[in-house]
This record gives sequence, structure tokens and C-alpha cells, in this order.
Amino acid sequence: GQQLNQSPQSMFIQEGEDVSMNCTSSSIFNTWLWYKQDPGEGPVLLIALYKAGELTSNGRLTAQFGTTRKDSFLNISASIPSDVGIYFCAGQLGNNNDMRFGAGTRLTVKP
Amino acid sequence: DTGVSQDPRHKITKRGQNVTFRCDPISEHNRLYWYRQTLGQGPEFLTYFQNEAQLEKSRLLSDRFSAERPKGSFSTLEIQRTEQGDSAMYLCASSHGTGGNGYFGPGTRLTVT
Repeated sequence: GQQLNQSPQSMFIQEGEDVSMNCTSSSIFNTWLWYKQDPGEGPVLLIALYKAGELTSNGRLTAQFGTTRKDSFLNISASIPSDVGIYFCAGQLGNNNDMRFGAGTRLTVKP
Repeated sequence: DTGVSQDPRHKITKRGQNVTFRCDPISEHNRLYWYRQTLGQGPEFLTYFQNEAQLEKSRLLSDRFSAERPKGSFSTLEIQRTEQGDSAMYLCASSHGTGGNGYFGPGTRLTVT
């Protein structure tokens, strides 16, 4: 089963608003990853974080690796309709380990 | 296109039949992962390969499931005697050995009737 708690489960926002979602774990991870998945497609990697405290941006997306190594958040600024989808966090203990995923945050953006 | 590819994209089968899926990873990636995803959930790890060696298997991977990567390039996932509970999206991902990040394919959606 899932080892990561992702919240919120869903969000309904107006176009132009900022969005924040987070992921917590009872286990320490050495890598945190954020993916976006569109219906019927595989997840697409958005941001990868490798160091506790690291803050990384990718366009309007910003993600941080929590200092305890047990959490991460993703912010999306100035949302647009194409941001709609399901966002997953994933933690990875090491390069030899698989990724463990949260249950996802479903984002709906109203024009 | 140099991304991860999976074939077929959709498969409908009757309970009890065997099915096989194929994954072609990004060519320079030596690691290949299989995940299963059911509706409303995140992907769940099944197994992974480094080159041709299968290094880890989840307890989700019952005896009816087998995966191979004979030449360290493409991989196949076979499900024998399918059950309705096997209905899911089967995702493949690949990565560099030192990179750790998984790049996913589009998935194979399996429906067992």
C-alpha cells in the first residue's frame, strides 16, 4: 500500500490562483519527486529534489525537500487550465530503491 | 521519439487467459521498473531490473506474474491465469543507474472480464 500521505486529495481553483500541495511520510527519503499525470497517460516528471532543504523551480512550479527528509511540498503559481491533472509525490530511499508514491492530488482549474 | 514506449496501450482479456506486455526503455537507461496503478491511487511498485538482473520484487508480484529483461534492453511482464483483480494500468519506467529518477511510459491498461 501507499506509504506517503498526500494532501489535499483534490482542489478546485480559479485560473490565476496559486496552488500548494504537500506530501508527508513516516519514513525518510533521500530523493523526492513530483509527477503530473493526465488521464490515460503515464506520469510525467516535473521536479526532482535530492537534498534536505533544497528548493527547486521549474517555470511556475516550485518544490521543496523538507529538512526532516520526511516531507515535500509543491507550489504552482498563477494556475492555467492546462495545469489540470493529478499530481503525485514520490519518495525514493536511494538509487537502488524503487519509488513510493502518494495517492495523488487532483487539480481542477476553472477558467 | 526517444521516450519510454509500451505495447499494447490497451488489452481486454477474459479471466483465466495469459497476457504479456512489453516495455522499451529510453535507450541509455540501465534501470527498468514495473508499476501497477488502480483507479484513484498512485503507482505501486512491482519489480525492477538493473540491466538484465531482476533486483527487487514486491510482494504484490504473485506467482502468476513474471517479468524478464533478457538482454538488458526491453522488458516483458506476463500475467498468467488473469483474474478480475488484475485489471489496472501497468506502467513501465526507466532511469540512469545514478540518476534515480523514473521516466514513465504511457502505460498498458488491462481489463479482465
